[in-house]
Amino acid sequence: ETGVTQTPRHLVMGMTNKKSLKCEQHLGHNAMYWYKQSAKKPLELMFVYSLEERVENNSVPSRFSPECPNSSHLFLHLHTLQPEDSALYLCASSQGGGAGNTIYFGEGSWLTVV
Amino acid sequence: GEDVEQSLFLSVREGDSSVINCTYTDSSSTYLYWYKQEPGAGLQLLTYIFSNMDMKQDQRLTVLLNKKDKHLSLRIADTQTGDSAIYFCAESSRIDAGNMLTFGGGTRLMVKP
Repeated sequence: ETGVTQTPRHLVMGMTNKKSLKCEQHLGHNAMYWYKQSAKKPLELMFVYSLEERVENNSVPSRFSPECPNSSHLFLHLHTLQPEDSALYLCASSQGGGAGNTIYFGEGSWLTVV
Repeated sequence: GEDVEQSLFLSVREGDSSVINCTYTDSSSTYLYWYKQEPGAGLQLLTYIFSNMDMKQDQRLTVLLNKKDKHLSLRIADTQTGDSAIYFCAESSRIDAGNMLTFGGGTRLMVKP
């Protein structure tokens, strides 16, 4: 149990579907992240929210839409995805200002786009 | 952009020591991390080191940092079969109150009985 919970753990969706990934952190942190892990690339940062405001967006395609309604919850809304978007999506959180701002990861959501 | 490089694969015998190496390019890195990923799971934080430290020891894990050469290593003493996993090196750049990690590609450690 890492304190960061992701649902669903596995998701299969068609290219025309709309789905969402959910993340919840129970650590009292004030920053949350989405990372993408695919077979051919190192872990990539997608979005960062600090104090519920988006701080960083590494030019991720608009078919990925994040939402952070409060400091404990983070969503990744998915629509009209491509097969190359199939990957493990990892949510993480950290506490700003703390030593090392150590990032804690969830177990990930395995996404397959068919 | 910043780069973090790791060798892809390491194979050791149970009971031996494992040394996983990592190099990075960002001289302003403040913290460096080691994460472990077991099959089908997320990333588990193993340890981290501040950039002003040379060494950190935590039970069977020893982290060595050569800041001049931008080289980080993770030594696992008395390696066990349960240590078989992918190990990721990461360096951090602070942004506001958050943290942005740049990861290496991961080193797959295989421990033979």
